[in-house]
Formats: sequence, structure tokens, C-alpha cells
Amino acid sequence: DAMVIQNPRYQVTQFGKPVTLSCSQTLNHNVMYWYQQKSSQAPKLLFHYYDKDFNNEADTPDNFQSRRPNTSFCFLDIRSPGLGDAAMYLCATSRDDEQYFGPGTRLTVT
Amino acid sequence: QKEVEQDPGPLSVPEGAIVSLNCTYSNSAFQYFMWYRQYSRKGPELLMYTYSSGNKEDGRFTAQVDKSSKYISLFIRDSQPSDSATYLCAMSPPSGYSTLTFGKGTMLLVSP
Repeated sequence: DAMVIQNPRYQVTQFGKPVTLSCSQTLNHNVMYWYQQKSSQAPKLLFHYYDKDFNNEADTPDNFQSRRPNTSFCFLDIRSPGLGDAAMYLCATSRDDEQYFGPGTRLTVT
Repeated sequence: QKEVEQDPGPLSVPEGAIVSLNCTYSNSAFQYFMWYRQYSRKGPELLMYTYSSGNKEDGRFTAQVDKSSKYISLFIRDSQPSDSATYLCAMSPPSGYSTLTFGKGTMLLVSP
């Protein structure tokens, strides 16, 4: 089945220790998105790629970076995680207006 | 005023009830409307996608859009315990691809 895959599903990192979350897709969609979702809150868009074009949301902290080496893969790098960065990180893809989400990576910062 | 307002609930109903979930929005540029279902600790799953005012039905689910009132609804008929989840509305302007604005989600609890 075509799908959006996120690894790992659960990630524990230490305060200030860089961490990378990965997303892959078999849908061959040209747009990929990263969202941050905290408990009982709406997903918050961090950035998205339209093909290779990177689009950063204005309020996304510099601590968050992203890479998209090819159509299928996209990475979220958190350079120096703080306690406030503990959240669920969701990857999504789309070709048109419908976005399809992966299962998410739950990040814990100790 | 937030762009998308959604009552967080929880909304508790008995099995078999008809459920109505709603969102209001303020941005008249929104043209595409979606409902996602999110189980605890999982990613959102696209349930319904509509464009323009009117109704769209898929099995037990009906999505309704009223652009004049800036109001959208999701109805669930014959609700089941497996419908217990958080339901997120999302919407976007026409742009070729979507940058969605989400509501905060309504938690639905269906008791057997």
C-alpha cells in the first residue's frame, strides 16, 4: 500500500543533543510537510517542500531545519532540542489539496 | 479571532447516536475543507474532503459546508465505539496545493 512512513515512532533525546527525524513516502507526491503537534492542540506547520523548493513558516524557530534529498525522503533536524520541543512531529504529503499524514514521531526531551 | 474555531469537547454520546461536529472560520479565501480523524498517539487520517458549499456523503459520514455562514459540519450516523477519536477540521485557499489551517480538534467518546 502507498503510504507515509515515519521513523522512529518514539524518540528520546537529551536537552541540547541534536536529533533527526525521518519521513519517507511511496505516494510519489511532490509536496512534503512537517508539522509539530502538542497535546490537545492543532498541528502547527513548521515548513514544507514543493518539489525541491523549501518554504519556511515565519514563526518556525531557527532551531528547526529540514532536508529533502529526493522525492521520497524528508528529514527534520532539531539542532538543540529544548524541553518545549517535546511534541508529536507529523510528516504529510500531497499532490493537490488533500494531505496524507504519517503516524508521527513522538519526541521526548529529557 | 482565530482563523478556525472548533469546540474541543469532549463530546460523549451512546453507541448508535447521530454525532454533529462543527467548525467556524473567518477567512473567506478558504475553499477546500477537510475532516481528519486522529486516534490517540497516531497521525491524522483523512476522512472527508469537500470543495464548495453543499453536502458530501461517504458511508456513515456526511460533510456539510455553508460558505455564506463560514460554517462546516461533519455528521456521523450510527456512531460506534471505534469512532472514538479526535476530529480535526482543516481548510485551505485554492493554491494548487494546500497549506492547511487546522481547528484544535473535538474529542469524541462513543460509549457501548
